[in-house]
Amino acid sequence: DAKTTQPNSMESNEEEPVHLPCNHSTISGTDYIHWYRQLPSQGPEYVIHGLTSNVNNRMASLAIAEDRKSSTLILHRATLRDAAVYYCGRGGADGLTFGKGTHLIIQP
Amino acid sequence: DTAVSQTPKYLVTQMGNDKSIKCEQNLGHDTMYWYKQDSKKFLKIMFSYNNKELIINETVPNRFSPKSPDKAHLNLHINSLELGDSAVYFCASSQETSGRSMKFFGPGTRLTVL
Repeated sequence: DAKTTQPNSMESNEEEPVHLPCNHSTISGTDYIHWYRQLPSQGPEYVIHGLTSNVNNRMASLAIAEDRKSSTLILHRATLRDAAVYYCGRGGADGLTFGKGTHLIIQP
Repeated sequence: DTAVSQTPKYLVTQMGNDKSIKCEQNLGHDTMYWYKQDSKKFLKIMFSYNNKELIINETVPNRFSPKSPDKAHLNLHINSLELGDSAVYFCASSQETSGRSMKFFGPGTRLTVL
């Protein structure tokens, strides 16, 4: 989705927090913000989603800007297994529409 | 147990052929989807089915036709394959069509058209 933009790649060190940004400036008021990740040769895997409030689960946290035009996926303590492509997207009645994804590289 | 499964995992075929990819979900979900991932890893939705009815058809050539024999299956038929159809195709399912539903993806089918 051209309207959802993410950095092509980011690098972080193991055991440090990672903040992955996403801009979705034209998201509608009823669309949810979704994050999925994809390991090599696997299908996308659900990470987290939210509408307006910040969300936490066992995998990550999602911080949503007050105007909903951007969000940040937070991995609190990255491990080597978190190295993947992270897709941000909007979820509406027409399904999920993704950005181009951020390739997260974790350095040991 | 695999939640969303696809067959085959790899499919290599010649231009002009007709092929099918099968998808099954054992989650009891009402909605299933097909996504295409191109060589640049861009994921794009192609179709979704809810209770055996097509509810989305993005700008996909009519050579592609989804077929749902029952709620647990959504197969993808492709006629007259072209080089540009080479991609990884992912099936997915969700409990409902709402944007709040999380999606479960299959492992993908890598289609190569020669």
